[in-house]
Amino acid sequence: EIVLTQSPGTLSLSPGERATLSCRASQSVSSSYLAWYQQKGGQAPRVLIYGATSRATGIPDRFSGSGSGTDFTLTISRLEPEDFAVYYCQQYGSSPYTFGQGTKLEIK
Amino acid sequence: EVQLVESGGGLVQPGGSLRLSCAASGFTFSSYSMNWVRQAPGKGLEWVSYISISSSTIYYADSVKGRFTISRDNAKNSLYLQMNSLRAEDTAVYYCASTGGRGSYYQYMDVWGKGTTVTVSS
Repeated sequence: EIVLTQSPGTLSLSPGERATLSCRASQSVSSSYLAWYQQKGGQAPRVLIYGATSRATGIPDRFSGSGSGTDFTLTISRLEPEDFAVYYCQQYGSSPYTFGQGTKLEIK
Repeated sequence: EVQLVESGGGLVQPGGSLRLSCAASGFTFSSYSMNWVRQAPGKGLEWVSYISISSSTIYYADSVKGRFTISRDNAKNSLYLQMNSLRAEDTAVYYCASTGGRGSYYQYMDVWGKGTTVTVSS
């Protein structure tokens, strides 16, 4: 099983700042089959990035994904008020399809 | 509108059974692999199970293997999760999610339902 470790657990930033979220895998993620999801309180998650770098339909270009192998990053170039939420990475390269434990992005 | 609607959640005693359903609309259900994902109260997301388009490939998380069974009926545009021998730790919101398309690259979770709540307690 691939274990995904996200850091930091909580990130406190202000609107307009840049956010960098990390996701590290315990072994290489096959073909960079890694996705990022955003979840706001009481809502279902929504996909932001798939294939490590591809933005999902309708996702603003301030969201970008990078990385390969075992190290992946989600970057939000300039935070908007609606971006404060919990973010999860997930690998779908090999079963079981594991999630990271999440990073909470909060307003400073 | 693309939509997934879960149903079948509720309160069940430890050791009991429950069958969740997920009704799909607004897209060609038979062309997409599907997943169940759960979230325990105050916790993160946990992938539960995956089923391919033709049901030929099925995966389970170790935590549910041997107790849960995923299935689908493409004629009814529906996904199911039969949950047996339920435990307190199965208490969670259960989401169904469709994948992004055909091919391994698109097996991420694209469209999500709003979830159905399962509570296992005596």
